[in-house]
Amino acid sequence: ENVLTQSPATLSLSPGQRATLSCRASQSVSTYLAWYQQKPGQAPRLLIFDASNRASGIPARFSGSGSGTDFTLTISSLEPEDFAVYYCQQRNKWPLTFGGGTKVEIK
Amino acid sequence: QVQLVQSGAEVKKPGASVKVSCKTSGYTFTDYYMHWVRQAPGHGLEWMGRINPNTGDANYAQKFQGRVTMTRVTSITTAYMELSSLRSDDTAVYYCARDLHWADNWFDPWGQGTLVTVSS
Repeated sequence: ENVLTQSPATLSLSPGQRATLSCRASQSVSTYLAWYQQKPGQAPRLLIFDASNRASGIPARFSGSGSGTDFTLTISSLEPEDFAVYYCQQRNKWPLTFGGGTKVEIK
Repeated sequence: QVQLVQSGAEVKKPGASVKVSCKTSGYTFTDYYMHWVRQAPGHGLEWMGRINPNTGDANYAQKFQGRVTMTRVTSITTAYMELSSLRSDDTAVYYCARDLHWADNWFDPWGQGTLVTVSS
């Protein structure tokens, strides 16, 4: 299976700062990668699909980039509601797999 | 608006089975695959499989083959996930999640989750 490794495990930042999250795949996924946000006690929410396309209703401060094995989710200026856990997911090969998550916490 | 509403929390003994439902509304049920994803307490997300609501055909992650069954009843626009031979490490929140577009394997939206606790 295609293993997705996210780094860092935890990112400690202040509101207004830029967040850069990484997702690395053990095998190429082309651009078949998505990002999700999950807050405590809630279901995940789709942010980005096909590596760089924002889902409906997602603010422009969220952007995704990358292809092949290396991907980045960038939050240009953190808002208080952005502190959460972020997961990447690939759909290039069965089984569909998720990364282990990056927690963005308030510094 | 699109809604996925799951059944309530369950407590099961080891060796038992559990069946979780996902009632949908706000879209044409047969136009989108439905997936099931689980999350053990304090852990990440794990894809279990998906069902084609048109045909009833399902694809399962190998890890769950032989223990999971995904079904649907189109007349009531509801999908089901049944997991058998439960073990303590099956304790998790189970989510249903619809395809964003037909068969694209991106998940949006999600149900609210159903906590399944396996304990003797």
